[in-house]
Formats: sequence, structure tokens, C-alpha cells
Amino acid sequence: SQQGEEDPQALSIQEGENATMNCSYKTSINNLQWYRQNSGRGLVHLILIRSNEREKHSGRLRVTLDTSKKSSSLLITASRAADTASYFCATDDSITGLYGGSQGNLIFGKGTKLSVKP
Amino acid sequence: DTGVSQNPRHKITKRGQNVTFRCDPISEHNRLYWYRQTLGQGPEFLTYFQNEAQLEKSRLLSDRFSAERPKGSFSTLEIQRTEQGDSAMYLCASSLGSSLNTGELFFGEGSRLTVL
Repeated sequence: SQQGEEDPQALSIQEGENATMNCSYKTSINNLQWYRQNSGRGLVHLILIRSNEREKHSGRLRVTLDTSKKSSSLLITASRAADTASYFCATDDSITGLYGGSQGNLIFGKGTKLSVKP
Repeated sequence: DTGVSQNPRHKITKRGQNVTFRCDPISEHNRLYWYRQTLGQGPEFLTYFQNEAQLEKSRLLSDRFSAERPKGSFSTLEIQRTEQGDSAMYLCASSLGSSLNTGELFFGEGSRLTVL
């Protein structure tokens, strides 16, 4: 099963423009992460935001988290052709697991396919 | 290369055959995960280990699937009596997890299975 739902499913922009992707989820979480996947490759971690944080920056990436709306957004500024990839949000559920904290697994959404045209 | 390594990268098999995939995680990582991904979808959780203990297994996982992590190092994922619906990319990831959070996952390049 997949908890996160990214929106839009596909996004096409010109180089230099900003790209915004949104993620909604269903249950309470410990943290939310964003990953990137180039076609046919493994996923690469981009950024992690904890449930008590509202915004986080890393280079050209800006992530926001609204736990009251159970949603997050990923903003990529000044996009480049090399940013073309699929982007996934993933949630670390706070449902009590074996150790009384994280359940242990990371649940991914279906992803947003970003195309940046030169 | 000190990343997560998966073998084989590609496997083509006939329906009904058994296949086994291997994953070598980053050496100091205590957690190891298996995910399955089909075209256009996000990774679907299959199972994960903390050291050698298999702590969680997806309810959606058929009993034809079995995973092991002897000695808490590498892991194998075996699929018995393969079906065409098993065709997918099988992704392995490792992390330094704790009781408080899962942490960042480091993924391998995946093993692509095609069942004819």
C-alpha cells in the first residue's frame, strides 16, 4: 500500500523556472522524506523534515511540512535539465512499532515525473 | 564502491522458475529493506531487517517470497514459482535506523526481473 500521494503526477517546465511538487499523506508521521529517481536507477535521498519542523532548505531545495493538513511540498528553484527525474515523498509512520517508536518502514507515494526542458 | 550493491542487475526467467536476488548493504548500516517497484509507481514496501531479525513483512507479500539476512550482513530475496505479475524492479536499501525514526535510506540500483 502507498500512503503518500504526489501532485501533480507529471510536470514539464523550462530551465530556470521553479518546480513545485506536493505530497499528501494519511496518518501521523515521525518524519517525511523526499527522494529522486532517474529513469531505471535507484532512489537518492534529497531531504528529511521532522514532524516538529515546518520548513527546511538544502541548496536549491525547499521543503515545507504542514502536519495539520497532512501535506508537504518540495520546491526546486532555478531548475536545470539535470533535475529531470521522478520525485517521491516517503513517510516514516509514527504508529507504534516493536520499539515503541517508528514502525520501521518508509512508505512511498506514486511520484511526480518532472521534465525540465533546456 | 561503498554503496549498496545488488545482483544480478537483470534477470529473465520463465514462469514457474525460482529466482534469488542478493543485496550487500553499506557495512555499518543495521537496517536493510526490500521494495518492489513497477513502471510508473512508487516503491512498494516488502520487508525489512534490523541486523539479522526480520522485523516487518508486508501483508501483501505472497508466501512465495522469502527474505533472509544471515549474520546481519548481506540479504537474499527469493521468489519461488515466479508468475508474470512478479515482473518488476526489486530495490534494496539500507539505513542506520533507530527506535525513534527510520532515517535516510540508501538505495542500490535495483534488480530488474522479467518473467516470461
